[in-house]
Amino acid sequence: EPEVTQTPSHQVTQMGQEVILRCVPISNHLYFYWYRQILGQKVEFLVSFYNNEISEKSEIFDDQFSVERPDGSNFTLKIRSTKLEDSAMYFCASSERVLGEKLFFGSGTQLSVL
Amino acid sequence: GDSVTQMEGPVTLSEEAFLTINCTYTATGYPSLFWYVQYPGEGLQLLLKATKADDKGSNKGFEATYRKETTSFHLEKGSVQVSDSAVYFCALSPRRQNSGSRLTFGEGTQLTVNP
Repeated sequence: EPEVTQTPSHQVTQMGQEVILRCVPISNHLYFYWYRQILGQKVEFLVSFYNNEISEKSEIFDDQFSVERPDGSNFTLKIRSTKLEDSAMYFCASSERVLGEKLFFGSGTQLSVL
Repeated sequence: GDSVTQMEGPVTLSEEAFLTINCTYTATGYPSLFWYVQYPGEGLQLLLKATKADDKGSNKGFEATYRKETTSFHLEKGSVQVSDSAVYFCALSPRRQNSGSRLTFGEGTQLTVNP
């Protein structure tokens, strides 16, 4: 079965630094997403992306965050000036269509901000 | 806003035992309902889904029925195996315009099946 690939699997950074989390969605999918899970908490929606623009974002996704599809295969999440509370597992997902369609998730990037 | 509540875990069962993981939801309209599973070291995988009231989703021996009257989507399996040990997430997706496939997740329930 096709997979969503995320790199790196673990990222350690110092508070205030910028990080870029990378994802390669499934090749024929058109909708892309980022979710995160802080340890011990629920998986939370961050942002969805379609046709090279953000289609929806949560209240968590403030100016500190940005997403980009720099080429035909990668989908990135940039976190500027990281804070301790940004430490979480970040999941990328993609889907072929929208509205109740099955999402395919990557295995996640564990971000630790020190 | 939308919310999903799952029974608290962890759940530990013996092989061949019956499994129920409760899930209730709050949402406007008629959301789609999902169960996702996460095996150790892997991403979340869709286990089953239901898109309208009274629909039953099923996969790999797991079942869940969309109950609008009780706003529930409980996961069941008649005989669990060691290989079913994983974290199970109940989730909903609103069917509102511009909400796409935005999923709202429950807390997750860790299931451990012992031989």
